[in-house]
Amino acid sequence: RKEVEQDPGPFNVPEGATVAFNCTYSNSASQSFFWYRQDCRKEPKLLMSVYSSGNEDGRFTAQLNRASQYISLLIRDSKLSDSATYLCVVIGNTGGFKTIFGAGTRLFVKA
Amino acid sequence: SQTIHQWPATLVQPVGSPLSLECTVEGTSNPNLYWYRQAAGRGLQLLFYSVGIGQISSEVPQNLSASRPQDRQFILSSKKLLLSDSGFYLCAWTNRGEQYFGPGTRLTVT
Repeated sequence: RKEVEQDPGPFNVPEGATVAFNCTYSNSASQSFFWYRQDCRKEPKLLMSVYSSGNEDGRFTAQLNRASQYISLLIRDSKLSDSATYLCVVIGNTGGFKTIFGAGTRLFVKA
Repeated sequence: SQTIHQWPATLVQPVGSPLSLECTVEGTSNPNLYWYRQAAGRGLQLLFYSVGIGQISSEVPQNLSASRPQDRQFILSSKKLLLSDSGFYLCAWTNRGEQYFGPGTRLTVT
């Protein structure tokens, strides 16, 4: 089992749609969680941190379920500019703070 | 504010040639620094990380090496490149767990 697994993509959605990404992690000792966005041929950029209480930033909502060991990212009212690859990132605390990136889920938002 | 620089932006090198990629960070001291590689259409693979000058941890065995000669400088090297070394090389630093990436170097080994 991979340490961090994301939904296989790509996701193709129309503008205005709501889309949800899920990510599971295997290390129950993981401490920090993030979502990153990566545009084609660019570096990943931090989209948002994921807190136990859940957090929202405009059209984006991130949630963490420690019991089931998954995190999610919800995008409401999708825009063309949301087209990108979304990476789930988990930081563990075993032998140092190990950062693990998921393989990413590609999103295409169509007009 | 903190800034991370990488160069060169793109590089085409023949098999068997040496490699040196440089990463520098501004606006912070004693950062944790990372080198990642992303093969075409694949996820990020952690290659090396460093918690301080001269302190390098390797995540995967390969023909690459890393050095940290100064607090805010991280260098990725190879003595002889392989075709499989082609990819997008990203340097990153961390701030309270959040990682911030440089613009990357796109390496093509021919």
